Amino acid sequence: DAGVTQSPTHLIKTRGQQVTLRCSPISGHKSVSWYQQVLGQGPQFIFQYYEKEERGRGNFPDRFSARQFPNYSSELNVNALLLGDSALYLCASSTLDTSPQHFGDGTRLSIL
Amino acid sequence: GESVGLHLPTLSVQEGDNSIINCAYSNSASDYFIWYKQESGKGPQFIIDIRSNMDKRQGQRVTVLLNKTVKHLSLQIAATQPGDSAVYFCAANRGGTGANNLFFGTGTRLTVIP
Repeated sequence: DAGVTQSPTHLIKTRGQQVTLRCSPISGHKSVSWYQQVLGQGPQFIFQYYEKEERGRGNFPDRFSARQFPNYSSELNVNALLLGDSALYLCASSTLDTSPQHFGDGTRLSIL
Repeated sequence: GESVGLHLPTLSVQEGDNSIINCAYSNSASDYFIWYKQESGKGPQFIIDIRSNMDKRQGQRVTVLLNKTVKHLSLQIAATQPGDSAVYFCAANRGGTGANNLFFGTGTRLTVIP
């Protein structure tokens, strides 16, 4: 079975631009979460969606938004990009709220 | 605020020895804990998890111990192999959020010496 897939794998943007990152969960997984991982740090929680509804939000500005589609795939949008948004963006999926999350390999976002 | 911290940023062990990676968490409401392994260029890989109603859980070559009294978590890897070299993260939930909304530590880099 395919794991969590994310696209694109790498992305370069400039300050002020907008970006959309995509995630396809493992088949049968209804919960999708997004994390930001800055180099040398652990992942930091951004959003969780379960059955297409937002179930949790981390301490990120409103420039960050996300949504989940009927097929449980998800998009993360970031507006007005800042240099500090440069990071690895990870998507994780799980079957239930109480099941361990499985991560994709992330999208490496670089802001120039 | 909430925090999850690992005691050592790096750990080196001889191949075949046992490894112990320690972690402390601050939120007494956390009731779900999980360990991940992250290799260079990859996403975190699930190793083992434990809920607060348990104090020990075993997997294949790995054991997680939970001490809620002192808010401490440890990962033990038996007969460490070169393929175990990676960064290890512990994470805890916010409490009442199931397996989601995780707070991660900064990671311990495990190096296995052949």
